[in-house]
Amino acid sequence: QVQLVQSGAEVKKPGASVKVSCKASGYTFTSYGISWVRQAPGQGLEWMGWISAYNGNTNYAQKLQGRVTMTTDTSTSTAYMELRSLRSDDTAVYYCARDAGSAVVDYWGQGTLVTVSS
Amino acid sequence: QSALTQPASVSGSPGQSITISCTGTSSDVGGYNYVSWYQQHPGKAPKLMIYEVSNRPSGVSNRFSGSKSGNTASLTISGLQAEDEADYYCSSYTSSILYVFGTGTKVTVL
Repeated sequence: QVQLVQSGAEVKKPGASVKVSCKASGYTFTSYGISWVRQAPGQGLEWMGWISAYNGNTNYAQKLQGRVTMTTDTSTSTAYMELRSLRSDDTAVYYCARDAGSAVVDYWGQGTLVTVSS
Repeated sequence: QSALTQPASVSGSPGQSITISCTGTSSDVGGYNYVSWYQQHPGKAPKLMIYEVSNRPSGVSNRFSGSKSGNTASLTISGLQAEDEADYYCSSYTSSILYVFGTGTKVTVL
């Protein structure tokens, strides 16, 4: 069965960077993209960006351009999301999800809580 | 790109039907048949309930249905059950930033 397993919770200081991993199994990794979505405490879902696991093409949300980098390692079927220059309002649960295209995001990871605090 | 507009809350009694709206623009909801709906229970990851406006993934109850008219998409839950109490989010492909989510709707079963 399709599974996306994310790395554990992180606590970071303002200005630091965080890198979240997302290991996929149960499907052909390179046949789908990976979208990253975050959710601040008590808030709604925010789409962060997308990466093609086939060729590494990316598309990032405008507000995160310059601070976020999404990559994949096809040898281990793992996707990564790195966010730099962290601020307190980056505190959120970060989700990876399998992206079949056409806004069809059908399987989600369990979420990774990133807390930014001095 | 602004979030799609959803009502903050919708409620209904068991067995009733409720409808959640999702309003965007001609650059997102109105321009493409790529609207999805997600259910999220507290502390859990979202779950895909509807894709491409009206299609249900395997395993999703046929009590959930989707539609679209102009710039507004809708999710209808018929035969409301206690387990349907959750947050619901719409999402659309957009001409600018790829995807945008709705503001979210809390469904309460009375």
